[in-house]
Amino acid sequence: SQQGEEDPQALSIQEGENATMNCSYKTSINNLQWYRQNSGRGLVHLILIRSNEREKHSGRLRVTLDTSKKSSSLLITASRAADTASYFCATASTGLGGFKTIFGAGTRLFVKA
Amino acid sequence: NAGVTQTPKFQVLKTGQSMTLQCAQDMNHEYMSWYRQDPGMGLRLIHYSVGAGITDQGEVPNGYNVSRSTTEDFPLRLLSAAPSQTSVYFCASSPPLRAGGRETQYFGPGTRLLVL
Repeated sequence: SQQGEEDPQALSIQEGENATMNCSYKTSINNLQWYRQNSGRGLVHLILIRSNEREKHSGRLRVTLDTSKKSSSLLITASRAADTASYFCATASTGLGGFKTIFGAGTRLFVKA
Repeated sequence: NAGVTQTPKFQVLKTGQSMTLQCAQDMNHEYMSWYRQDPGMGLRLIHYSVGAGITDQGEVPNGYNVSRSTTEDFPLRLLSAAPSQTSVYFCASSPPLRAGGRETQYFGPGTRLLVL
């Protein structure tokens, strides 16, 4: 079964609003990453937060991590139509030499202009 | 750098046929992996490799083989294609491990496979 589960599965907002996506996971992790995927394209890395960090910012992105609740959230502020995409969380945990990364099912974000 | 490249972009197979999906990266990344993406399922890890000559299974390895003879290439082989293997396949690579676990993965554009 997948490690990460995103919530909600789909989100539709107006341009300028904030979008919040959540990710829950099951086992201990080394880090958690968020990726974006435009329709029909490969995934693009957005931000990485390590297990000893609680919050991280990158431009309009804010990621939080609560290891006690095994959850993370991605906040996109002042959303734009170009933010329309699917967003995935991915957890990296110890496997063969610490190299196993597992993805969640994703949140589809639709930003209306 | 070309980054991560995948060939072919599209492929149609008949049940029972075999084929190899190619993946190459020119960033000297140690770690490479293969995922499949099905509607509503996100990405599921098939196999991964931490370096030339070293591979391991992911979440859904059955029906797939991999090998890693060079740092640059990580082909995925379907031995006897089944309709359940209809999916979009993504290859990814990562730079050498730093403390804290797996770092950023760089994804290829994907291969769309249809098995009839």
